[in-house]
Amino acid sequence: AQSVSQHNHHVILSEAASLELGCNYSYGGTVNLFWYVQYPGQHLQLLLKYFSGDPLVKGIKGFEAEFIKSKFSFNLRKPSVQWSDTAEYFCAVNIYNQGGKLIFGQGTELSVKP
Amino acid sequence: DAGITQSPRYKITETGRQVTLMCHQTWSHSYMFWYRQDLGHGLRLIYYSAAADITDKGEVPDGYVVSRSKTENFPLTLESATRSQTSVYFCASSPPPGTGGNTIYFGEGSWLTVV
Repeated sequence: AQSVSQHNHHVILSEAASLELGCNYSYGGTVNLFWYVQYPGQHLQLLLKYFSGDPLVKGIKGFEAEFIKSKFSFNLRKPSVQWSDTAEYFCAVNIYNQGGKLIFGQGTELSVKP
Repeated sequence: DAGITQSPRYKITETGRQVTLMCHQTWSHSYMFWYRQDLGHGLRLIYYSAAADITDKGEVPDGYVVSRSKTENFPLTLESATRSQTSVYFCASSPPPGTGGNTIYFGEGSWLTVV
């Protein structure tokens, strides 16, 4: 079965530190890739997505992610985090031609210390 | 711009009772989904629907029933609630794959506690 792995369950950073959250998926065909963010007590919001084209995609709030097909990875990055980035981050994969459903990773909780 | 709304937002129920969580979207998206979010498991798909009158099981469908008589509504029913169904439930919708980018939009969640 297809799966999505997020290797970091909890990341703690100080403000202005750089962030990289890992995401790997297990499927050899065409995929669409997403990162969602969930602020405390809120619903999921789309950060960025990759469907095709430039493998480096930019999202909201200064986040970006790079799709590396050979590594089945879609890591999320931000050069300088802020306290307001404290949230849970979910990587998700949609298998092309298998309906619209998303397969989610387990999530990474990010805590940014002021 | 209501988007996608869920009700109730918070619910406490007793074991064995039937509970229905409602989901309504105003975008006329063909796809709708129900996920549950549990600590350590991320989001897991319960059921999804590609169109009215078409539903399919997700990863964790046992104990749940869905229906989709109208495009805009996708209720989720727990036929006989169990404590293991205590969770946060998210409804979501999206246009069909290949149109509009297939982005899935989430509701604000329904917090369900089964005692």
